[in-house]
Amino acid sequence: DAKTTQPPSMDCAEGRAANLPCNHSTISGNEYVYWYRQIHSQGPQYIIHGLKNNETNEMASLIITEDRKSSTLILPHATLRDTAVYYCIVRVYGGGYQKVTFGTGTKLQVIP
Amino acid sequence: DAGVIQSPRHEVTEMGQEVTLRCKPISGHDYLFWYRQTMMRGLELLIYFNNNVPIDDSGMPEDRFSAKMPNASFSTLKIQPSEPRDSAVYFCASSLAGLGSPLHFGNGTRLTVT
Repeated sequence: DAKTTQPPSMDCAEGRAANLPCNHSTISGNEYVYWYRQIHSQGPQYIIHGLKNNETNEMASLIITEDRKSSTLILPHATLRDTAVYYCIVRVYGGGYQKVTFGTGTKLQVIP
Repeated sequence: DAGVIQSPRHEVTEMGQEVTLRCKPISGHDYLFWYRQTMMRGLELLIYFNNNVPIDDSGMPEDRFSAKMPNASFSTLKIQPSEPRDSAVYFCASSLAGLGSPLHFGNGTRLTVT
């Protein structure tokens, strides 16, 4: 799977949009971009994923650049409960191969 | 659905003892993953199964670690003998096959080996 690069930490004011960047310059055409978050010591929680189009769900929006070399996770109105470590992963699926590895992520601190 | 269920939530044991961690994946999921998380190494993939068959165990640290999936609804991760450096949070996750299927994680087992 392609390697991802994320800033180690970010701050965001409560109520403002949190924009978390991820670089995946070696991504292949059949790799999806996934975002997970981990709150305190709970299990990672799935947020959103995409292949090449921008995606939105009830939790967040995912913006993928046209060349697919980077993406941004957007939390439109950050709350204190969004304080967590956010992981960006690229992942290929095929022929039973589904190895999913996590990097070090971005620690997002939402400030009152 | 109840989600991925792991037991026990906490385990404290002495060095040299056998430890067995348990996982019940989400019904109908084809893949099961075991991860270990520590402050130093982050989230590490230990092993994963597809339809109860181990596919990649290259992350299993030593022969002291073994994992089994006797059926689609149950998996175990065993450490024998345990050592203090095995202290970590162990997560189990499951997913469907198919493009775009996300992983669903359990709440983990916090293992402390004294």
